[in-house]
Amino acid sequence: SQTIHQWPATLVQPVGSPLSLECTVEGTSNPNLYWYRQAAGRGLQLLFYSVGIGQISSEVPQNLSASRPQDRQFILSSKKLLLSDSGFYLCAWSSIDSPQETQYFGPGTRLLVL
Amino acid sequence: AQSVAQPEDQVNVAEGNPLTVKCTYSVSGNPYLFWYVQYPNRGLQFLLKYITGDNLVKGSYGFEAEFNKSQTSFHLKKPSALVSDSALYFCAVRDIRDSSYKLIFGSGTRLLVRP
Repeated sequence: SQTIHQWPATLVQPVGSPLSLECTVEGTSNPNLYWYRQAAGRGLQLLFYSVGIGQISSEVPQNLSASRPQDRQFILSSKKLLLSDSGFYLCAWSSIDSPQETQYFGPGTRLLVL
Repeated sequence: AQSVAQPEDQVNVAEGNPLTVKCTYSVSGNPYLFWYVQYPNRGLQFLLKYITGDNLVKGSYGFEAEFNKSQTSFHLKKPSALVSDSALYFCAVRDIRDSSYKLIFGSGTRLLVRP
């Protein structure tokens, strides 16, 4: 079966510091991968998605970037964090082999920028 | 453009009563529709989806949803609510012609089931 991992689970960082959040998927090959941010426990904002290694699409121009160095690894980064980067970051995957393409979510990383 | 509306920020229901969480959508073509649930400080859990076929879809934990094309709705229902159903519920849509595979999520509805 497929599983998705995110770490760290919680992170407190000062403004201006760098960021690296990691997401890995097990039990599947060539997944579509997604990064979302959820602010204030409400709506989800799609930040980035990737349909293959090195292929990143950005949805919202911002202080963040994403990379996919390996097939099942998706990294969210920032060179200098802003207060507004605080939130709950969710990684998700879907299978391009499944016509239904349900997205399955990881446990999330809660980021607090102080 | 694709969009999803969840008109209720919160739904309150007594345990044992039926519940409905509303969702309407807008897509250019035919939709794939999804419901997810989120418990505090957790990721989203997939509940059910409509792809094609029978308009009534059954999912996890006794939930079901009815696809209504004429009303562009996909309301989530459960015949008898449990206190443990209290959570945040998200409706999502994708246009089946969209090759980017992106889901568009509603703003979420908080369900509170009181004992």
